[in-house]
Formats: sequence, C-alpha cells, structure tokens
Amino acid sequence: GAVVSQHPSWVICKSGTSVKIECRSLDFQATTMFWYRQFPKQSLMLMATSNEGSKATYEQGVEKDKFLINHASLTLSTLTVTSAHPEDSSFYICSARVQTSGRYRETQYFGPGTRLLVL
Amino acid sequence: GEDVEQSLFLSVREGDSSVINCTYTDSSSTYLYWYKQEPGAGLQLLTYIFSNMDMKQDQRLTVLLNKKDKHLSLRIADTQTGDSAIYFCAESPFGGGNKLTFGTGTQLKVEL
Repeated sequence: GAVVSQHPSWVICKSGTSVKIECRSLDFQATTMFWYRQFPKQSLMLMATSNEGSKATYEQGVEKDKFLINHASLTLSTLTVTSAHPEDSSFYICSARVQTSGRYRETQYFGPGTRLLVL
Repeated sequence: GEDVEQSLFLSVREGDSSVINCTYTDSSSTYLYWYKQEPGAGLQLLTYIFSNMDMKQDQRLTVLLNKKDKHLSLRIADTQTGDSAIYFCAESPFGGGNKLTFGTGTQLKVEL
C-alpha cells in the first residue's frame, strides 16, 4: 500500500511553454502532498506544501506564480511550471502524507519523480 | 535554519559493512529518517528513529543516534551491489508526515 505515482515520468518542452505534472496517491487519500525539486547530484529542496481544498504553502524563494499548485481532490495534486525556461530543468518529486484514524502517520511516501528538460 | 550534512561518497566491497554518517544542527529534531534513492527514481523510506532512542535495528540496517553530538549513522551489514544508491538522511521536528529537511546525500558504491 501507500503508492504514489507521477505523470509524466519525463518531459521535454520548448522554452516559454507550460508543463503540468500530476501526483496521485493510488491507494490512499492524501490531504497533504509535498513538491520537491532536485538538481543533479544535489539534495531535495521543498518547494511547497499542497493542501486539498486550499491554497498551497510555498517555501521562501519559490515563485508561486511560476509554479502553480492545485490540489483538487484527495488523491491528486498538480504542479504546473508556467512559461518554462531552461533554468527550470530539474527533477521534480512529489510526496504524500498518509492519514489514518485521524492521526498522521509518521512518514510520507514519495513518487518516482518527473524529469523536466526545457530547451 | 536547519542544516543537515553528509559525506558525499562512500565506496565499499561487497560483503563488507557500510557506515553512512549524518550530522544535523536543529536540536528540536524529533524524527530522523534514512531514505534510499536509486538512479532516476524517487525516494524509498528505509528506516527511521525517534529522538528518544539511541539505536534501532531492522534486518541488515542499524541506525545509531547520538543526540548530544547531533550525529546519526546508518550501518548496512553485508553490503550488496543492490545497495548501490544515494542515501539521504532527513529530519523533522514534527514527524515524517510534515516538512522534511534533507541532507546532501551520500552516494554508496559497492564494488565486487
């Protein structure tokens, strides 16, 4: 159980276009999902916390108009990179928090990641 | 802010033990985690330890926590080639379902 999927797994786009990445919790409901960004050979940096039915909370330095997050249902959060540029090329990973019996489990489950290349 | 540091690279022979180290600065870190990332993939939770514990063992994995020195280590016994990956330690003051601060990652290479 607790499987998180991402789609697409990789995407190549032209500079100036927008790209949408989906994060789904397949066998559980997730009121909270997280979006991370990972540069080559570097650690994960939290970009934002996505909350179902409300606005996302962005980390300092992350442009909310650039990285649009929508958490429309308990199993789906989307990250849209608007007007993508080459510097947005990165590995984007989502995770979902499992909630059971009204208490949060002490872990979050990660998706396989989406590699974005902007030409 | 929080800072989590790891050595960047570790090379061991198959069958030997691997020890990956991590230091953190946030004294309020209550939950500490080890994740494994294989090439081009997401993160897999390996194990975790709460700050009120000194040691946790889970099959080939042993986690040691020195709260005084803010030092965490992951020991992998009988290291196999399938253990080759990047290992991240992570901390959270509120639990793993909340914001995690990740270390820089240690690339483990297992040689025959």
